[in-house]
Amino acid sequence: QKEVEQDPGPLSVPEGAIVSLNCTYSNSAFQYFMWYRQYSRKGPELLMYTYSSGNKEDGRFTAQVDKSSKYISLFIRDSQPSDSATYLCAMKGNAGNMLTFGGGTRLMVKP
Amino acid sequence: DAGVIQSPRHEVTEMGQEVTLRCKPISGHDYLFWYRQTMMRGLELLIYFNNNVPIDDSGMPEDRFSAKMPNASFSTLKIQPSEPRDSAVYFCASQGPGAIRTDTQYFGPGTRLTVL
Repeated sequence: QKEVEQDPGPLSVPEGAIVSLNCTYSNSAFQYFMWYRQYSRKGPELLMYTYSSGNKEDGRFTAQVDKSSKYISLFIRDSQPSDSATYLCAMKGNAGNMLTFGGGTRLMVKP
Repeated sequence: DAGVIQSPRHEVTEMGQEVTLRCKPISGHDYLFWYRQTMMRGLELLIYFNNNVPIDDSGMPEDRFSAKMPNASFSTLKIQPSEPRDSAVYFCASQGPGAIRTDTQYFGPGTRLTVL
């Protein structure tokens, strides 16, 4: 079993829909949680960064962390075709700089 | 800043040949990471450096893989001899002072390697 599990999709939604992307993890030492967005044939870029539990909002994006359930989510409101990409969750503990990535969920937002 | 620079962007080679991938991190960053991405295994960390010193190479799959960082602005990942199962996209990422978050990894565009 992988340390971080993520549904690969693809997830296809109409423009304007609310999108929910999720990851589960098994390592209780993870404290920092990130979402990266990766466009086709590009490198991942950091989208959201949260520490420990709680919510963080940035424009149309909201990241949620539930450490008790070992579950993190990324919500995208009013989704746009430009949001079409692969979304990777990543996490790490207090020590070191090594990130553990989920496999990524491919999202397609149709006009 | 131009961001993390990787070369070549695409590499097609035949099995048994030596392959060298190159990376120039963001100026001032003191961490450099090499990743491999495949459909089957996702994004895997191969090795990372801090201040040009290899810190963790536990992700390097075999002795055929080697990585060096001779100075703060250049790193190489070498595969010798290459095999078809090495076909993947290889990413370099850097992290360090000067960024909005000092613990954020910034990825390069990747090198798409195909071994025939």
